[in-house]
Order: sequence, then structure tokens, then C-alpha cells
Amino acid sequence: SAVISQKPSRDICQRGTSLTIQCQVDSQVTMMFWYRQQPGQSLTLIATANQGSEATYESGFVIDKFPISRPNLTFSTLTVSNMSPEDSSIYLCSVELGGRSTDTQYFGPGTRLTVL
Amino acid sequence: EDQVTQSPEALRLQEGESSSLNCSYTVSGLRGLFWYRQDPGKGPEFLFTLYSAGEEKEKERLKATLTKKESFLHITAPKPEDSATYLCAVQESSDYKLSFGAGTTVTVRA
Repeated sequence: SAVISQKPSRDICQRGTSLTIQCQVDSQVTMMFWYRQQPGQSLTLIATANQGSEATYESGFVIDKFPISRPNLTFSTLTVSNMSPEDSSIYLCSVELGGRSTDTQYFGPGTRLTVL
Repeated sequence: EDQVTQSPEALRLQEGESSSLNCSYTVSGLRGLFWYRQDPGKGPEFLFTLYSAGEEKEKERLKATLTKKESFLHITAPKPEDSATYLCAVQESSDYKLSFGAGTTVTVRA
């Protein structure tokens, strides 16, 4: 597995502001993912972030709202822009490890965001 | 579009009372089915990956099985520390994306 850390672990923000969430992995990985988990819900993929290419966003998520950076093979950031209370969620990064045709995704501890 | 349905939504067990969780799925081609455990306020913890029908995997009191349409997570003689939400996710053969079910919240009483 991998050791994945996220910063901040939680934050309370005012509407209209932006928050950048960091994800750090203790080994080099090609594929990183960002998920959202709304209160009482399961996980929904926001985007896939591969080093050296633009992030690929899922339906319903756009780059202007959730810009992502992937400067190297161990780090990524997700920014939640122009926040509203509906953005209150847990944001999780994950990485894919394995090296075989079906690889396992391991998750970070999450960032709990509350927007007032 | 992938569909993953987990049942029941919630399960309350007495310590030692074995039970099973169900995950039914619809995909055009399965690359893998994953089980995770999630404790409140934490990220999902990986448990198992199943790749093909008939496959089984075990870890302590947990055993996961897979058919062409569904997977079961069996909890044998559960303990209170097995209390958590168990998430099932599928990965389609043409994609790296994980599609998650809503989860089953298991509560084990001493």
C-alpha cells in the first residue's frame, strides 16, 4: 500500500472563497484521483490527475470550479473555487498501485470541508 | 453507465452473529470489484479485490465472493470492532474509474 496524507484535514470556509487541498504520497504514482463524499453519501469521482497531462473531469464537474494541479509523481492539489454551502463535503484523494492490469486504489484520510 | 447497488443499507448484529452483505452490479465488462471499509471521519480502507466469477478472498473474519452479477461480503462471528460502513466499487474494463455503491453500515453490539 501507500502512505497518503492530505492537508488540511478539515476547514470551515465562507461562501465565495476558495480552498486548496493538498495530497502527498510517499511513493511515485502515475494515477491520482479526487473524489467527493457528500454528507451521508458514497464517493463520487471528480477527476483523474495524471502527471504531465491535463486532469480529466467527470460529468458534472468542471475545471473552473475544481482546478487540479499535478506537478510531480507524488503530489497533487484540488482547489474548490467560489464555494457555496453545497460544496460542503469530504474530499478524498486516491492513488492507484499495483502494476498489474487491475490495480487497487488507496485513499487518503480526506479533507472535511464546511462552507457557511 | 455502471450501476452498483448494496444491500442492506444498515445491518445491526449481535457479537458473534454471522451475516452477509450484498453488492449487485451492472457493467459492460468487469475489470475488478473492490471492497473497502470506512470508519466515521476517515478515508476508505482497502479490503479486497476480486477479478473473476468464482473467486474468493478472506481476511480475518471477512470473506468476499464474486459471481457474474454480484458479490457478497461475509462477516463471520463479528466483533464490535467490525462496526463500519462497507463500500463496494466496480471498475469497468475500459476505464480506471471506480463506481461506488452507497454502502452498508454495520453495527456490532457486544
